[in-house]
Amino acid sequence: SQQGEEDPQALSIQEGENATMNCSYKTSINNLQWYRQNSGRGLVHLILIRSNEREKHSGRLRVTLDTSKKSSSLLITASRAADTASYFCATAYNRGTSYGKLTFGQGTILTVHP
Amino acid sequence: DTAVSQTPKYLVTQMGNDKSIKCEQNLGHDTMYWYKQDSKKFLKIMFSYNNKELIINETVPNRFSPKSPDKAHLNLHINSLELGDSAVYFCASSQGGLLGNTIYFGEGSWLTVV
Repeated sequence: SQQGEEDPQALSIQEGENATMNCSYKTSINNLQWYRQNSGRGLVHLILIRSNEREKHSGRLRVTLDTSKKSSSLLITASRAADTASYFCATAYNRGTSYGKLTFGQGTILTVHP
Repeated sequence: DTAVSQTPKYLVTQMGNDKSIKCEQNLGHDTMYWYKQDSKKFLKIMFSYNNKELIINETVPNRFSPKSPDKAHLNLHINSLELGDSAVYFCASSQGGLLGNTIYFGEGSWLTVV
C-alpha cells in the first residue's frame, strides 16, 4: 500500500503567501524527505528530517515531523511564482537490509500566482 | 555538469519493440536506482543496484532487465513493450543506501508506447 500520502493534492496561492503541504505515512520510518519536481523535469531533493528530529529549516522551507501521528508538513514561506511545482514527500525505512527503501507519495501540485 | 544523466529524454515506440534507456552518474555514488512515474504521478522504485549488484527488485515484470556494467552506469532494457509501460522513467543515485542519504535524480525519460 502507498506509504506516503500528501494533502492537499493541489494548492493555489498568491505570491507572498505561505504554502503548507502535509504528508501522512503508515509505518515506522528512518527519515522523511521532501522533493520538488518542476513540470517535465526530474525530482530535486529539498530537505531530509530524521525520525528523531521534530523540525528542520532550510531557507524559506520549514519541515516538521510528528512520528506519533505519522505525519509531516512542509511550509514554504513568502512564496514566489518560481515555487510553482509538484512537491513530494518520501519516507525511508529499513526493509531488512542496510540499504533501506524510499517510498513516495502522490505529491501536491503547488501553483503560485504572481 | 550533469550529475545524473539519462538518455533518451523522449522515446516513442510501437508495442512489441525492445528499447533501452541509459543512465550515467558522475557523482561517484555506489548505489543507483530506476524509478517509474505513472500518469497519476506515483513514483515507484523498480530496481536498486549497489556496486553493480542488484539490491532491490520490486516485482517488476521480467521484460525489464537492468544492467550495470560499472557502478557509474545503470541501463534499463525493456523487451516486448506494452501500452502500460508508457510512463516516465527516472534514474537516480546515492552514496550508500537510503537510510539518511540524499538521492539524486536524472531528468527522466518519457516513454510512450503506441
